[in-house]
Amino acid sequence: SQTIHQWPATLVQPVGSPLSLECTVEGTSNPNLYWYRQAAGRGLQLLFYSVGIGQISSEVPQNLSASRPQDRQFILSSKKLLLSDSGFYLCAWGGRVLTDTQYFGPGTRLTVL
Amino acid sequence: AQTVTQSQPEMSVQEAETVTLSCTYDTSENNYYLFWYKQPPSRQMILVIRQEAYKQQNATENRFSVNFQKAAKSFSLKISDSQLGDTAMYFCAFMKQGTGNQFYFGTGTSLTVIP
Repeated sequence: SQTIHQWPATLVQPVGSPLSLECTVEGTSNPNLYWYRQAAGRGLQLLFYSVGIGQISSEVPQNLSASRPQDRQFILSSKKLLLSDSGFYLCAWGGRVLTDTQYFGPGTRLTVL
Repeated sequence: AQTVTQSQPEMSVQEAETVTLSCTYDTSENNYYLFWYKQPPSRQMILVIRQEAYKQQNATENRFSVNFQKAAKSFSLKISDSQLGDTAMYFCAFMKQGTGNQFYFGTGTSLTVIP
């Protein structure tokens, strides 16, 4: 069966510091990968998605970037965190077939102070 | 652009009763998929039910069913025989057909099941 991992689970960072969140998927090949942010009391906002190694699409302009160095690895980064980057970050994977759904990781809670 | 609207920020229901959560969406697409996800206090997103837009028959998964009205762009979730474990945030989501199969989520409905 497929599993998706995210780490760290919780992170507290000062404003202006760098960020690296990692997501890995097991049990599937060539998945679509997604990064979402969930602000307090709000829904999920799609940040980035990737259909293959090195292929990143951004949904909204922001202080963050994403990379996919390996087929089942997806990284969310920032060079300098802002207070507004605080939130709950979710990684998800989905299949290539149009009927496939998305499956989510356990998330990372990021607090920028 | 696709938008998903959940107009009920909070709802409550007595245990064993039935509750309906509303969702509307706006799209110019003809082929798409709709989903309901559940997010309990653990914050793990769990798929509840899925509906293909080309299917007229409403999807059903045990105690969960949907009322899909394509012309009205409405996709409500009915939970029958509510259980305490159903307490969670519920998100409606729209998937656009195309490269990447992007999802677009509503703002969620917080459901509390009262014993």
